[in-house]
Amino acid sequence: NAGVTQTPKFQVLKTGQSMTLQCAQDMNHEYMSWYRQDPGMGLRLIHYSVGAGITDQGEVPNGYNVSRSTTEDFPLRLLSAAPSQTSVYFCASRGGPNTGELFFGEGSRLTVL
Amino acid sequence: AQSVTQPDIHITVSEGASLELRCNYSYGATPYLFWYVQSPGQGLQLLLKYFSGDTLVQGIKGFEAEFKRSQSSFNLRKPSVHWSDAAEYFCAVGSSMEYGNKLVFGAGTILRVKS
Repeated sequence: NAGVTQTPKFQVLKTGQSMTLQCAQDMNHEYMSWYRQDPGMGLRLIHYSVGAGITDQGEVPNGYNVSRSTTEDFPLRLLSAAPSQTSVYFCASRGGPNTGELFFGEGSRLTVL
Repeated sequence: AQSVTQPDIHITVSEGASLELRCNYSYGATPYLFWYVQSPGQGLQLLLKYFSGDTLVQGIKGFEAEFKRSQSSFNLRKPSVHWSDAAEYFCAVGSSMEYGNKLVFGAGTILRVKS
């Protein structure tokens, strides 16, 4: 059972560079989301998707883009990285309504110099 | 908008002692409440959840939590802590189970277990 798979696990970028964090799930979940985790702030929602072709903004969307072309994949793009985007990023998916439980990937640690 | 407060950043307990982690939420309607645990270098794992019904909820690994509407609290408890329980614990609140639910997390409580 692969569950939610994130790549890469670690990445170092220079300010202004772009990159994509990949997220894939094999549970046929319609709902997928991206969170960032910063010390003392818990997890904050960046973007989420309720199905292929549908995305929406969360609490901290600025500087990030997403797309959802398939049910399985939900990549997160940083078009011009900034030091403030240094964080640990988690992708999570959820089954149908009334389940509640989010299934998390193992995280991607990003450092922007 | 909903919010979650976990008043304790760090808690240290002795192995075998009881544990209570505090969680207070702010939300106007009936909340959907969760506790997640995160081991170092790992993603979050669901311990338990409350949607409705019995206010005392049992979870995995011997954890339980009690929903107290009058106190806006959802504290996590365990009668006897094991060294493997050392981790970070997050309380979260959601507004509904419909698609588009935006789960809001607290800042987390780091649990240290001393032998």
